[in-house]
Amino acid sequence: ETGVTQSPTHLIKTRGQQVTLRCSSQSGHNTVSWYQQALGQGPQFIFQYYREEENGRGNFPPRFSGLQFPNYSSELNVNALELDDSALYLCASSFRGGRLGRETQYFGPGTRLLVL
Amino acid sequence: TQLLEQSPQFLSIQEGENLTVYCNSSSVFSSLQWYRQEPGEGPVLLVTVVTGGEVKKLKRLTFQFGDARKDSSLHITAAQPGDTGLYLCAGALAYSGAGSYQLTFGKGTKLSVIP
Repeated sequence: ETGVTQSPTHLIKTRGQQVTLRCSSQSGHNTVSWYQQALGQGPQFIFQYYREEENGRGNFPPRFSGLQFPNYSSELNVNALELDDSALYLCASSFRGGRLGRETQYFGPGTRLLVL
Repeated sequence: TQLLEQSPQFLSIQEGENLTVYCNSSSVFSSLQWYRQEPGEGPVLLVTVVTGGEVKKLKRLTFQFGDARKDSSLHITAAQPGDTGLYLCAGALAYSGAGSYQLTFGKGTKLSVIP
């Protein structure tokens, strides 16, 4: 148990729709990162939030957006869903307070999104 | 192109055998993490290595970080069926200009240990 929770666990949407995924960080963590994991692949970095601001982004289009709230919970929003967006979406929380790049990320169980 | 190359991609061995999984890159990482993932679940952290040449042991698992912090290996001694799963390595890129870092994952090694 990492203390990181995600909801919903599974979701089915149709192409063109919008989706919001939620993540609750581990207590005391101030940073959240989101990843997309397609079947048979390793997780791909989407973006990271630190103190409610986006603080790094991977190679994903603007229709992928996010929010981090004062209690450090987070949302991932995806607009205009495409079939290729079908994947496991993972959030990971960490505490940034020491040397950058050395904090450990703890993953939630993920949300399985299927786009039809 | 994959920044982190993991090999082998698939591994099927008999219970009791030893195995090594490799994680290689041309990039220098400030830290490297190994995760294990079960189907339909999130990755679970096994270990973080931060110092070049560092060796960490976790029961029958031995992790090594290369001297140049570009590669790592995971060695399992006397594998058991409970070791079955997807093993992922992830490197934190050693830059801080943007005030952030990201984990770059390999594609993973799918291990099956046959009783």
